[in-house]
Formats: sequence, C-alpha cells, structure tokens
Amino acid sequence: DAGITQSPRYKITETGRQVTLMCHQTWSHSYMFWYRQDLGHGLRLIYYSAAADITDKGEVPDGYVVSRSKTENFPLTLESATRSQTSVYFCASSEAYRGYPEAFFGQGTRLTVV
Amino acid sequence: GNSVTQMEGPVTLSEEAFLTINCTYTATGYPSLFWYVQYPGEGLQLLLKATKADDKGSNKGFEATYRKETTSFHLEKGSVQVSDSAVYFCALRKISATSGTYKYIFGTGTRLKVLA
Repeated sequence: DAGITQSPRYKITETGRQVTLMCHQTWSHSYMFWYRQDLGHGLRLIYYSAAADITDKGEVPDGYVVSRSKTENFPLTLESATRSQTSVYFCASSEAYRGYPEAFFGQGTRLTVV
Repeated sequence: GNSVTQMEGPVTLSEEAFLTINCTYTATGYPSLFWYVQYPGEGLQLLLKATKADDKGSNKGFEATYRKETTSFHLEKGSVQVSDSAVYFCALRKISATSGTYKYIFGTGTRLKVLA
C-alpha cells in the first residue's frame, strides 16, 4: 500500500528494555521525521533525516537512536526505555521541493513503558 | 528561535457556529504555514497550507490567511459541524540558513468540540 506506515500500532514494554519503532514510506520522500505527542506539549521533534545516512537531532533526542540506511525506512530505537518515554510516536515524511512543503504522517505508535 | 503559539482549548461550539482558532508564529524569513487536523486515534492530516505572505489556504470550508505583518495564520470556518470535532495543530516549516535542511515546528494543539 502506498503511504507511510508505522509498526507496531501499540506496544507495552518494561523499563530498561530496548524497543524499536518502525516507519516505512513508499513515496521516496527525502525527509523523514520522528515526533512524540504528549498532552500539553503538542508534537515535539525527536530526530529527523534529510536523506539516507543523514540524520540530525530535534528538540528532545535524549534516550533515542535513529538510523536511515534506506530512503524508505526510518526506525526509532529507545535504547533503555523509561516511563517518561510513554507517549504516542508519529513518523512523518516530506519532499524537499518548495511546491510541496507539507509533511505526511503515519497513524502513530502508542508506547507504554511500565 | 522558531515557535508557534496557538490558543488554548478546549473550544466548545454549537453546530453552525463560527469558528476561529488563533495561531501566531515566530520565525525569520517566510516559513511555510500549515493547519493539520487530528481525529481521535489517528495521525495528523493536512487541512490547509500557505507558502507566502497574503496567501489564503482553504479546504473543506476552513480558511487561513498568511499575515506577515502580524505573524499570524488564524483558522476560520463559517459554520462548524459535529464532524469537525478534532484537535487542530498550527505548524510552520523552517529552513535552516546554515545547513539548508528544514523541519516542522508545531503548536500545542487546540481541541474543538462541536455540539449538536
């Protein structure tokens, strides 16, 4: 299916465990982003990538790791999950051209750390 | 730094009422501006956009005008429906002058509830 998909949709993990959230897009967009959504904070940028093998930190990168070896995939790894990382995570992608400036979002992954 | 400020919610309206959700931004230059909508349990969907000053974005009866002089992008709809109940996010896309890369900055969201 065309679009941007995240997996899993729901995940419960224990404190200290490593967990990876997957993001896949079929448009070959240059840019990909990871946000977390928390009540009262809106969406906060964790990491973003301008192209394969190019990643950069966003507003709240601590405790997270990303990689982008292929244009279509942008996994987000929590190396040692903490309760403060309980959140809804959204992946997004966009093209670099000025004529199409909008970002497209996945359905989100609801992560609970117990 | 770059930021987006939107009015606190929740906003509760009766069906067919007029809607305004205020959004102001802080950024140098001319960032692209957006309104996104999020329905319960879903991701964000683009509602409308504007890429330069005085542009008016419109979609599904919603409108917003890019006002450079007041750094604002207020969302309006003349007659809301129950189906418009959702969370609305104002956002900007800003290009870094040093790296040439860009990212999106979002407001905290405004929850709209429309009563029948």
